[in-house]
Amino acid sequence: DADVTQTPRNRITKTGKRIMLECSQTKGHDRMYWYRQDPGLGLRLIYYSFDVKDINKGEISDGYSVSRQAQAKFSLSLESAIPNQTALYFCATSGELASGGATDTQYFGPGTRLTVL
Amino acid sequence: GESVGLHLPTLSVQEGDNSIINCAYSNSASDYFIWYKQESGKGPQFIIDIRSNMDKRQGQRVTVLLNKTVKHLSLQIAATQPGDSAVYFCAENSGGSNYKLTFGKGTLLTVNP
Repeated sequence: DADVTQTPRNRITKTGKRIMLECSQTKGHDRMYWYRQDPGLGLRLIYYSFDVKDINKGEISDGYSVSRQAQAKFSLSLESAIPNQTALYFCATSGELASGGATDTQYFGPGTRLTVL
Repeated sequence: GESVGLHLPTLSVQEGDNSIINCAYSNSASDYFIWYKQESGKGPQFIIDIRSNMDKRQGQRVTVLLNKTVKHLSLQIAATQPGDSAVYFCAENSGGSNYKLTFGKGTLLTVNP
């Protein structure tokens, strides 16, 4: 969905390096999420934010941190990357629109493929 | 593209046939359900949703059925096309206003021409 963008799309890094993945959205949503996807495990929630001053841990937050710089921007950091953080990372958004409408539906970005060597 | 379908249940159909993909959910308090489609190398794409006060909802070529008695959700795709080949997974909002979704692991649909 072009309304949710992620950078970079692919990244190869080495163990111990600090990595930041960025997400921007133009949907006007207030809620943003970071997931990782591994083969056979489905999507697992890392962190989520319901507004700029609200940050919550998901089910697998260890080794990750996030920053909600603005309503439209939510970044995910790996302070010291390790090989088992190799995965696909997705950002998603949801929320009430100014014109009213769906709330729970989450819309995903195209993903970042991260490889930690 | 990225292989996100390893070790997933698979469904193989012929082009033009109808496809039915199933999902069992675990939380009887879940009140909202979504089906997503994920093509290789792409992010999950919203297909259709349904709230727990309904048992059927139709979209373009897709129908979602909800059976709350047995906690079962299905996605029916009519006249399946090669472009429908993807991983399909369901998601549930486990009730309340927390707006968090729990995702199933997915089913890989392959459409043979």
